[in-house]
Amino acid sequence: DGGITQSPKYLFRKEGQNVTLSCEQNLNHDAMYWYRQDPGQGLRLIYYSQIVNDFQKGDIAEGYSVSREKKESFPLTVTSAQKNPTAFYLCASSRELLQSNYGYTFGSGTRLTVV
Amino acid sequence: GENVEQHPSTLSVQEGDSAVIKCTYSDSASNYFPWYKQELGKGPQLIIDIRSNVGEKKDQRIAVTLNKTAKHFSLHITETQPEDSAVYFCAAYVRGGSNYKLTFGKGTLLTVNP
Repeated sequence: DGGITQSPKYLFRKEGQNVTLSCEQNLNHDAMYWYRQDPGQGLRLIYYSQIVNDFQKGDIAEGYSVSREKKESFPLTVTSAQKNPTAFYLCASSRELLQSNYGYTFGSGTRLTVV
Repeated sequence: GENVEQHPSTLSVQEGDSAVIKCTYSDSASNYFPWYKQELGKGPQLIIDIRSNVGEKKDQRIAVTLNKTAKHFSLHITETQPEDSAVYFCAAYVRGGSNYKLTFGKGTLLTVNP
């Protein structure tokens, strides 16, 4: 079955460390997205990518970085510049960024905690 | 800017009652409106969607209605069950420059009391 896989499910980061969250999809989707979710909050877009080797900043990109070297993979790095990284991170994919007629498929999320 | 408003933010109902969640959007070009259900600690799952060429869609106990003139759409859950308890998000495609991206409402926490 096709799907989108995030790992790890739980991640702990020390102050000043960079950490990388993995997102892999086998849906043959072109577009991929990273969202941040805080308790009681909606989904805030961090970065998105339309095609391989291309990505764009979302609404809250500061302190984060991404890469898109393969169509299937869109890892997110939370850098030490992100002052409040504790949150639930969701990765999603869709057929095409410009197609406004299909929904997103979400992964199961990674909960990041700063210790 | 273009956004999606969702109400209420919390909703508590008794098992067997109906639940209604409403959303409004501002981009008249939006033509696809999905609803997602998110259980605690999990990612959102698509439960139903509607396209702008229809006014209503039903799937068992879940239905969605769309009023394009008024720019609002609603999720209706009938005969609610405790397992319907979750956060529900509506969404609509909104133009951002030359691209369309799904914009989500802030979510509704639905609690179904046994």
